[in-house]
Amino acid sequence: AQTVTQSQPEMSVQEAETVTLSCTYDTSENNYYLFWYKQPPSRQMILVIRQEAYKQQNATENRFSVNFQKAAKSFSLKISDSQLGDTAMYFCAFMEPQGAQKLVFGQGTRLTINP
Amino acid sequence: GAGVSQSPRYKVAKRGQDVALRCDPISGHVSLFWYQQALGQGPEFLTYFQNEAQLDKSGLPSDRFFAERPEGSVSTLKIQRTQQEDSAVYLCASSVKEGPTDTQYFGPGTRLTVL
Repeated sequence: AQTVTQSQPEMSVQEAETVTLSCTYDTSENNYYLFWYKQPPSRQMILVIRQEAYKQQNATENRFSVNFQKAAKSFSLKISDSQLGDTAMYFCAFMEPQGAQKLVFGQGTRLTINP
Repeated sequence: GAGVSQSPRYKVAKRGQDVALRCDPISGHVSLFWYQQALGQGPEFLTYFQNEAQLDKSGLPSDRFFAERPEGSVSTLKIQRTQQEDSAVYLCASSVKEGPTDTQYFGPGTRLTVL
């Protein structure tokens, strides 16, 4: 079974700083998808960014980018110019393209952006 | 447009009671997922529907858990004879169709507390 590990339970940075959240995963599959989801205090989970394992280029979405290291099974999220609204729980997730496309989540990292 | 909605938002049940949690997916979304999120943890997959067909129920923790989606839209997660360990937030997600590039949109969740 696939597992996803987020080793940083909590992180805190000042507004406008850059922060990197770590994620590692374990799988024997060669083709899969990786995601970062944001869960603000209101609890509605929102997709931040997605990476296909067969793509070597790292995904970017505005201030959010990933560092995908397939051989190391590492998938970190970098948030540039952090804003107060980035305060949330961040979950790394894995998906196989076959079957139910269920998401396997890590334990989450609580990120606080301080003014 | 309207997102995924869930009701009730909060449910308190006495141990042994039956509960029913409702999910209204985004109109036209074919795929529907249920996840269980224990306090301080990432969500864990429970079950998956494609239209009215329940294609994967491998995550249901016991036979006390039952889910249905009879008309391929609204879904209900039923928990019989609730136990304290059932206390969690139950998240519903829907996507347009079955595919790893289809974003799963999450509802706000139902927080179940079993006393």
